[in-house]
Amino acid sequence: AQSVTQLGSHVSVSEGALVLLRCNYSSSVPPYLFWYVQYPNQGLQLLLKYTSAATLVKGINGFEAEFKKSETSFHLTKPSAHMSDAAEYFCAVSSNSGGGADGLTFGKGTHLIIQP
Amino acid sequence: DAGVTQSPTHLIKTRGQHVTLRCSPISGHKSVSWYQQVLGQGPQFIFQYYEKEERGRGNFPDRFSARQFPNYSSELNVNALLLGDSALYLCASSLGLAGSYEQYFGPGTRLTVT
Repeated sequence: AQSVTQLGSHVSVSEGALVLLRCNYSSSVPPYLFWYVQYPNQGLQLLLKYTSAATLVKGINGFEAEFKKSETSFHLTKPSAHMSDAAEYFCAVSSNSGGGADGLTFGKGTHLIIQP
Repeated sequence: DAGVTQSPTHLIKTRGQHVTLRCSPISGHKSVSWYQQVLGQGPQFIFQYYEKEERGRGNFPDRFSARQFPNYSSELNVNALLLGDSALYLCASSLGLAGSYEQYFGPGTRLTVT
């Protein structure tokens, strides 16, 4: 079984400040990890993914995440927040256990608020 | 290129009724997955279909069923609707089974059960 915990249901940062969204996972097999963003009344857009290559993963819109096996973490960061980054962010895990048939397991999400 | 499309965008049903939601995957994608997203929560996995066969199922009652057609489009059916079925239903497509493959999501169908 696999699970995802996102620490902080709401995170507020000032425009131009560092964004840090936390994600910890639990998986009995090597995981694949993803960050998705969801804007109001829209579907999910993939920001980045980790699939056992480089541990530091760069994504779209200036976001990146680092896979730390010892901490079972995959935190999302962005050096300088922009007003357009305000959205809901979801961390998700999957594995090839069972051939990948069990889909993605998502965290509960973190609502990112950008203060002007 | 067209992304994942879903229809309808919004739907209002009464308790006890039946609903069918539709999804067309990205061209060339053979896997379709369905997720339920209740307000304020992350999406929950319902089904995954690959090459027209059910390959994975989440913890949902038998009132939920789905199928995939030869053109890889998919339908999600929910019988005997409950108030708790009110949610955004998301469809995602990928080249292969979820695992390392990226899943691309559609805009969702907003179902309201009254």
